[in-house]
Amino acid sequence: AQSVSQHNHHVILSEAASLELGCNYSYGGTVNLFWYVQYPGQHLQLLLKYFSGDPLVKGIKGFEAEFIKSKFSFNLRKPSVQWSDTAEYFCALRNTGRRALTFGSGTRLQVQP
Amino acid sequence: SQTIHQWPATLVQPVGSPLSLECTVEGTSNPNLYWYRQAAGRGLQLLFYSVGIGQISSEVPQNLSASRPQDRQFILSSKKLLLSDSGFYLCAWSDLGETSNYGYTFGSGTRLTVV
Repeated sequence: AQSVSQHNHHVILSEAASLELGCNYSYGGTVNLFWYVQYPGQHLQLLLKYFSGDPLVKGIKGFEAEFIKSKFSFNLRKPSVQWSDTAEYFCALRNTGRRALTFGSGTRLQVQP
Repeated sequence: SQTIHQWPATLVQPVGSPLSLECTVEGTSNPNLYWYRQAAGRGLQLLFYSVGIGQISSEVPQNLSASRPQDRQFILSSKKLLLSDSGFYLCAWSDLGETSNYGYTFGSGTRLTVV
């Protein structure tokens, strides 16, 4: 069975600090990986995704993620966070034999001005 | 453009009462449809998904059921609610066509409180 782990449950940063949120998965085959964000009071929305090719993926709002196959990781990064990045972030995985996404437990990011 | 509608936004129901949450999608045909439950600190748990009319896959044994009576309609139901059914329920759709990005579009969710 596949699973996704997000070990950081709650992260508090000051504005302009750098961000890295961890995401590890367990699945031995080909995967598609996603990061979703949920801003307070809003829908979940796609931040970025990895399907194939360049393992460094750039998303909206200055976010990027790197797929490291040997480490089964897909960490989310941003060099300088803003107060508006305060949200909950979810990593998700889809394997090629399954239509549904498996989500991690989420990381709540709080950016202090 | 594609949109997804989910209602009601909030619901308070007594234990033992029935439940019906509805989700409809516009602007696409033959979508894959999903019901997730979001619990604080536990992320999103997949409850059901459907690849077509009348085709339902259940992920976890539970007190809930799902139906897809029309191509773009997905319903989450229960005959008798339990306290443990309280939570935030999200509907989502995805497209597995050739131009698909395999991502989901989520509805706005229903906050269910069973009392």
